[in-house]
Amino acid sequence: QQQVKQSPQSLIVQKGGISIINCAYENTAFDYFPWYQQFPGKGPALLIAIRPDVSEKKEGRFTISFNKSAKQFSLHIMDSQPGDSATYFCAASPSPIQGAQKLVFGQGTRLTINP
Amino acid sequence: NAGVMQNPRHLVRRRGQEARLRCSPMKGHSHVYWYRQLPEEGLKFMVYLQKENIIDESGMPKERFSAEFPKEGPSILRIQQVVRGDSAAYFCASSPPGGAAGNEQFFGPGTRLTVL
Repeated sequence: QQQVKQSPQSLIVQKGGISIINCAYENTAFDYFPWYQQFPGKGPALLIAIRPDVSEKKEGRFTISFNKSAKQFSLHIMDSQPGDSATYFCAASPSPIQGAQKLVFGQGTRLTINP
Repeated sequence: NAGVMQNPRHLVRRRGQEARLRCSPMKGHSHVYWYRQLPEEGLKFMVYLQKENIIDESGMPKERFSAEFPKEGPSILRIQQVVRGDSAAYFCASSPPGGAAGNEQFFGPGTRLTVL
């Protein structure tokens, strides 16, 4: 019940295309859903995050879509660029009101943008 | 405003030795988390600390691993009698105190531990 399942494991997209990464969860106590970007040898960097009270959040070329009833959320990268090539992780955590705020991470998606 | 700092960045130990990993949170952050990342895998939660308190250690192995966040100084993750299976990247994250913003965790560059 603590798992977050992420797909696909790897993704190749042409420059200018749309990259889509999907995640699903089971624990209804989760109420914070961030996406992290990680380059080789670096720490994860917070990209964008959403809470269940909205169905979509957009920041620049990055959009999170959230489906509360299906317990799924996805990251869309519009106009994908070679510099977006990295590993992307979705994550989830329960409300801080409930105490522990640990993040549960998906398995990661290695994204390659071909020039 | 400096980010989360971790040192050392790379650490090599022989089996049976001790490893000490240090983490200084972002300025103003009082919550520290440790995660472990095995090659080609996602990050796994280990422990969540506030100053002088362990809040959640549900992800810590029962033996050989310990963590602290003293009143003064960095948080320390200590691994005693290391084994080859401890080889991984260890990341520290910090978040500000309380409220809805408390979920946002900012990660350091990690310490890559290699056990020979």
